[in-house]
Amino acid sequence: DQQVKQNSPSLSVQEGRISILNCDYTNSMFDYFLWYKKYPAEGPTFLISISSIKDKNEDGRFTVFLNKSAKHLSLHIVPSPPGDSAVYFCAASPHGGSTLGRLYFGRGTQLTVWP
Amino acid sequence: DTAVSQTPKYLVTQMGNDKSIKCEQNLGHDTMYWYKQDSKKFLKIMFSYNNKELIINETVPNRFSPKSPDKAHLNLHINSLELGDSAVYFCASSPARGIGTEAFFGQGTRLTVV
Repeated sequence: DQQVKQNSPSLSVQEGRISILNCDYTNSMFDYFLWYKKYPAEGPTFLISISSIKDKNEDGRFTVFLNKSAKHLSLHIVPSPPGDSAVYFCAASPHGGSTLGRLYFGRGTQLTVWP
Repeated sequence: DTAVSQTPKYLVTQMGNDKSIKCEQNLGHDTMYWYKQDSKKFLKIMFSYNNKELIINETVPNRFSPKSPDKAHLNLHINSLELGDSAVYFCASSPARGIGTEAFFGQGTRLTVV
C-alpha cells in the first residue's frame, strides 16, 4: 500500500530546459514533504523540503510546489544540466506518535538530462 | 569527513549465514534509522532509534536485530539469511525525531544472498 506515489518512473529532458517531477500522496496525516536525489551506488541526498503550511518553497534552481487539496506536489528544476541526471525520490513525513521522523518514500523517478 | 558511513558497501553471503552491517554518524544527531530498498526500488523504513532507544520497529522478521551501542552507532544484525533479504540497506540519521528534519543517508550496503 504505497502512500507516496511517483507515477512516472522516468523523465527525459533536454539540457537547459525545466524538469518537472510529480508526486502524489494518499495519507492526509502527512505534513512535511521532501525531495531526495540519488546517484547510482550512493545514498539519497536531501534536496529541498516543504511544510504543509506552505504551498511553495524555493532554493536556488529547485522549487517545490504543494497542492494539499489535490494531495500533490511537484519539484521544478531550472535549468537542468546533465549532472542532474539521477533518481529523484519524493518523501513524506506524518506528525504525531511513534511515526515521528519516519519518511515514506515514493518509488523514484529517473531523470535523464541530455545535451 | 563522511557524515553517515556504513560498512561494508557490498556483502555477498550464503543462505543461512548470520551477518552484520555497521553504521556510524558523526553529525551529532539523536536519531538513526535503517531503511531497505528492495528489488522494486521501494525505500521502506525498518527501524528507528532515538538516543539508543527503539522508537520505530516496522513489521520486520525477528531475524533482523538492530543494536545501538551509543547514539552515533546503529548496527544491523541479520540471522539465518534468506534469498529474499537481498536488497540495498541504507542507514540514516536526523537531528531530532520531530517533523521538519531531513534525514541524512549513508551510501548503502548491497546485500546479496546466494
